[in-house]
Amino acid sequence: AQKVTQAQTEISVVEKEDVTLDCVYETRDTTYYLFWYKQPPSGELVFLIRRNSFDEQNEISGRYSWNFQKSTSSFNFTITASQVVDSAVYFCALSEAGSGAGSYQLTFGKGTKLSVIP
Amino acid sequence: KAGVTQTPRYLIKTRGQQVTLSCSPISGHRSVSWYQQTPGQGLQFLFEYFSETQRNKGNFPGRFSGRQFSNSRSEMNVSTLELGDSALYLCASSKGTGPGNTIYFGEGSWLTVV
Repeated sequence: AQKVTQAQTEISVVEKEDVTLDCVYETRDTTYYLFWYKQPPSGELVFLIRRNSFDEQNEISGRYSWNFQKSTSSFNFTITASQVVDSAVYFCALSEAGSGAGSYQLTFGKGTKLSVIP
Repeated sequence: KAGVTQTPRYLIKTRGQQVTLSCSPISGHRSVSWYQQTPGQGLQFLFEYFSETQRNKGNFPGRFSGRQFSNSRSEMNVSTLELGDSALYLCASSKGTGPGNTIYFGEGSWLTVV
């Protein structure tokens, strides 16, 4: 069965510090997809990135970067020079290609609440 | 373009009542899925619809149901509400079904059962 673990429940950093959010996943599929979403207090889950299991290239988008390592089943997310606007709950999620019947569901971690203090 | 739109945003219901939540997907998206978010259980998959057909359902009792219309809009219904149904219900849409698609979420409907 698929599982996503975000061991860090809450993290507080001072503005401009770098912060890394950890994500470890479990799956028996060889084809799967990993996601990160951001959830501000309004409730909406904002899509940040999608990675497939065959693409282990690290990705950088502005102050955000992602490190995908299949050897350790991890997909970590780093925010460089954090800002107050980065304060939110961040979720890592997994979708397996073999979810069944061509359907599609995400398995989420419990989330990491990031507080950036000015 | 407009994102996923959910109505109502907030609602309070009494135990035993039923509730219907609505979702309008991003234009051109044909897959709609629903998730329940609670502090205890986190985000859990409810069901997914594609072309008006339920493709998959999560581990929820039969009181939870949904449907999708020909214009891809979707509704979910919870009958005989229980206190534990208090949650944020998130609707999401994607162009197609299958894990290669990116799912985009709405702001959710906050349901409180008293």
